Amino acid sequence: AQSVTQLGSHVSVSEGALVLLRCNYSSSVPPYLFWYVQYPNQGLQLLLKYTSAATLVKGINGFEAEFKKSETSFHLTKPSAHMSDAAEYFCAVSVRGKLIFGQGTELSVKP
Amino acid sequence: DAGVTQSPTHLIKTRGQQVTLRCSPKSGHDTVSWYQQALGQGPQFIFQYYEEEERQRGNFPDRFSGHQFPNYSSELNVNALLLGDSALYLCASSLAWAGRTDTQYFGPGTRLTVL
Repeated sequence: AQSVTQLGSHVSVSEGALVLLRCNYSSSVPPYLFWYVQYPNQGLQLLLKYTSAATLVKGINGFEAEFKKSETSFHLTKPSAHMSDAAEYFCAVSVRGKLIFGQGTELSVKP
Repeated sequence: DAGVTQSPTHLIKTRGQQVTLRCSPKSGHDTVSWYQQALGQGPQFIFQYYEEEERQRGNFPDRFSGHQFPNYSSELNVNALLLGDSALYLCASSLAWAGRTDTQYFGPGTRLTVL
């Protein structure tokens, strides 16, 4: 069965510091992977997606993620955190058109 | 270009009641998926509609049912509400032809509270 695991339910960084949110997947077929962000009391917004075209995927708001098959990982990074990045982040894998989500990682940004 | 819209934004019901949530997909999209997000959890897939038929279903009881209309909008119905049904219900739309690589666009959700 396909699944994703997000390591760390809460990550705290200082403004300007590197953001690293971890996601590992389990899949018996080439996975299609997504990162979504959810601000308080809102729906989910797509940050980026991997569909096998390129292993390094650039998304919105300066985020990027690298697909590493050998490590079954798809970690999300941003070189310099901004206060507005504080939110919940979800990694997901597409399974026959439905999304299987991880438990989420709450990102806090300290001034 | 209108995004995914959902109504109502908030709803309070009591145990045993029935509820209907509504969703209008993003312009041009033909597939609607519903997700339940309990507090502090990731969204869980309920079901997906395409061409007015349920195409896939997650691990949810028959109390959860849906419908898709010819204009691609959709409803989620929940009967015999339980306290555990309290959650944020998210609707997402996509294009069927793009398959599992297509992006699902989410609406703002409906917050259901069951007392």
